Amino acid sequence: NAGVTQTPKFQVLKTGQSMTLQCAQDMNHNSMYWYRQDPGMGLRLIYYSASEGTTDKGEVPNGYNVSRLNKREFSLRLESAAPSQTSVYFCASSEVRQPQHFGDGTRLSIL
Amino acid sequence: KQEVTQIPAALSVPEGENLVLNCSFTDSAIYNLQWFRQDPGKGLTSLLLIQSSQREQTSGRLNASLDKSSGRSTLYIAASQPGDSATYLCAVEYGNKLVFGAGTILRVKS
Repeated sequence: NAGVTQTPKFQVLKTGQSMTLQCAQDMNHNSMYWYRQDPGMGLRLIYYSASEGTTDKGEVPNGYNVSRLNKREFSLRLESAAPSQTSVYFCASSEVRQPQHFGDGTRLSIL
Repeated sequence: KQEVTQIPAALSVPEGENLVLNCSFTDSAIYNLQWFRQDPGKGLTSLLLIQSSQREQTSGRLNASLDKSSGRSTLYIAASQPGDSATYLCAVEYGNKLVFGAGTILRVKS
């Protein structure tokens, strides 16, 4: 019963380094999402993919890129990490108009 | 701008009490409204989803209502238990995206 799996769970980066956050779902969902969660601000959508082969910007896309590798996998890349990108990142998946299923998050600190 | 607001930001109640969490949204052109629970260090778990054409949904001790015209939803928790302690998030679906409130931190004291 894996659901949505995110790796890594924790990461510390230095300013300017790059990294890719991985997300995989085993529920055969068409839609996948990346959010960031900051204290007192709820979750904000970074990018989403309505189906395999498509991606669209959300509310806060600057500084990020995504790849929908196949139906199961949706990765988030930080090309040049900045301290403002310190956050908890969540991946989710769903079918249209159905509840989203979330991973346990990646806690990212950028020094 | 589509905004979702949750009141109160935090709530502490004794075990057994009935309680209400509030959610309001600025744009009433919604597809659905969802309530989630988040435990510390964990992801979100879906509790209830109310379609825009519905007025309420129930699951066990939870009841969520939706008044689209006034831009409001409430989550009612009956006979609260210490295990209900968590952050509760309201999210409104517009098009292909969810817009989240900042959440209500609930503590149920035994």
